[in-house]
Amino acid sequence: DIVMTQSPDSLAVSLGERATINCKSSQSVLYSLNNKNHLAWYQQKPGQPPKLLISWASTRESGVPDRFSGSGSGTDFTLTINSLQAEDVAVYYCHQYYNTPRTFGQGTKLEIK
Amino acid sequence: EVQLVQSGTEVKKPGESLKISCQGSGYNFDNYWIGWVRQMPGKGLEWMGMIYPGDSHTKYSPSFQGQVTISADKSISTAYLQWTSLKASDTAMYYCARHFGGSYFSYFYIDVWGKGTTVTVSS
Repeated sequence: DIVMTQSPDSLAVSLGERATINCKSSQSVLYSLNNKNHLAWYQQKPGQPPKLLISWASTRESGVPDRFSGSGSGTDFTLTINSLQAEDVAVYYCHQYYNTPRTFGQGTKLEIK
Repeated sequence: EVQLVQSGTEVKKPGESLKISCQGSGYNFDNYWIGWVRQMPGKGLEWMGMIYPGDSHTKYSPSFQGQVTISADKSISTAYLQWTSLKASDTAMYYCARHFGGSYFSYFYIDVWGKGTTVTVSS
């Protein structure tokens, strides 16, 4: 199984500041046939199912604010939230869809400082 | 609008059986892999397995293989997750989730989630 490790486990950021969440996979999720990273990011607010934010490591889903961005390749990825808003308080998960079993990172809890 | 509608909250005793459901609408149910994801209380997301409704081919996580059964009835656009003998450790929220792709050989990230079914197993 591909192990996804996120850091930090939690972080507190002031409103309007930048939040950065890292995700490392135990093996590369860059698929040679399509030259794409099979890595997604999800946001989960309390009492709600996860919501897809970013696919292919850096493609923002329609309707997702542009303050959310994804970067990275191979085994190291980053979710950046610029100009943090109160509604961004949530747990964020990275997810590899390179192979089965699919796996998720352990989650990063984002709070307001 | 693409939707996955899950069955309601379940409260069961250890040793009982259970089958929960997930009905898809707004898209061609046959052609998208549907998976199940477990979230234990206060914990993270665990991918359990998935099924291609078109031919009922399944893929399981080794962690859940033999513990649950995933099935589907494409005639009513519904996927199922089943237990024959529940344990207290099965207490969790279970989400069904569509895998973006649109064909047997294309199954990528989860793009649509159901709202979840809460399963509580307690004596």
